[in-house]
Amino acid sequence: EVQLVESGGGLVQPGGSLRLSCAASGFTFSNYWMSWVRQAPGKGLEWVANIKEDGSEKYYVDSVKGRFTISRDNAKNSLYLQMNSLRAEDTAMYYCARGQSMFSYWGQGPLVTVSS
Amino acid sequence: EIVMTQTPLSLSVTPGQPASISCKSSQSLLHSEGKTYLYWYLQKPGQSPQLLFYEVSSRFSGVPDRLSGSGSGTDFTLKISRVEAEDVGVYYCMQGINLPWTFGQGTKVEIK
Repeated sequence: EVQLVESGGGLVQPGGSLRLSCAASGFTFSNYWMSWVRQAPGKGLEWVANIKEDGSEKYYVDSVKGRFTISRDNAKNSLYLQMNSLRAEDTAMYYCARGQSMFSYWGQGPLVTVSS
Repeated sequence: EIVMTQTPLSLSVTPGQPASISCKSSQSLLHSEGKTYLYWYLQKPGQSPQLLFYEVSSRFSGVPDRLSGSGSGTDFTLKISRVEAEDVGVYYCMQGINLPWTFGQGTKVEIK
């Protein structure tokens, strides 16, 4: 059974940093692109970033470029999102998803709240 | 950035009746390789989103055949032939041809 389990969410002050993790199981992690998709409270879905199977390609939505870094550790079957210089508008549920654009499986999402 | 526009934004349907959601993209989603990168996702209340269709009309595992996806170019439709209680939630279309991938605003489907 495919499972994606995120961790690392919480409350952080504006300008602060947070690192999200996503532990994958039930499939060969190193064979898949992985992505982060977020959802602000009561709002729609927004694609944030994705990373190629071997980590050689990474892409970001403009609003997080230079502040967020996506990475992966295939030996640990884990995906990460390092979030720096956080802003109030980054407040959202952050979902880890399997795939480059076809998001076939999703995690439950940690909530990230940016507030003073 | 490709803009995805869904209509209607909300739908209240009597069980057993059909429902239809439209999704229009600001640019063609047809890739030169011949595939059209349009996806449909459903977010049921209190749950993470789930994939329904990829490449317009290819049904993902476990999706009932009451649901169907169609369309081409810039105009796409999700249809439910007979709405059931389990179909309640917010439906999103998404394009995967040009970065950044973008979603429609979502269509909330409720049961009357």
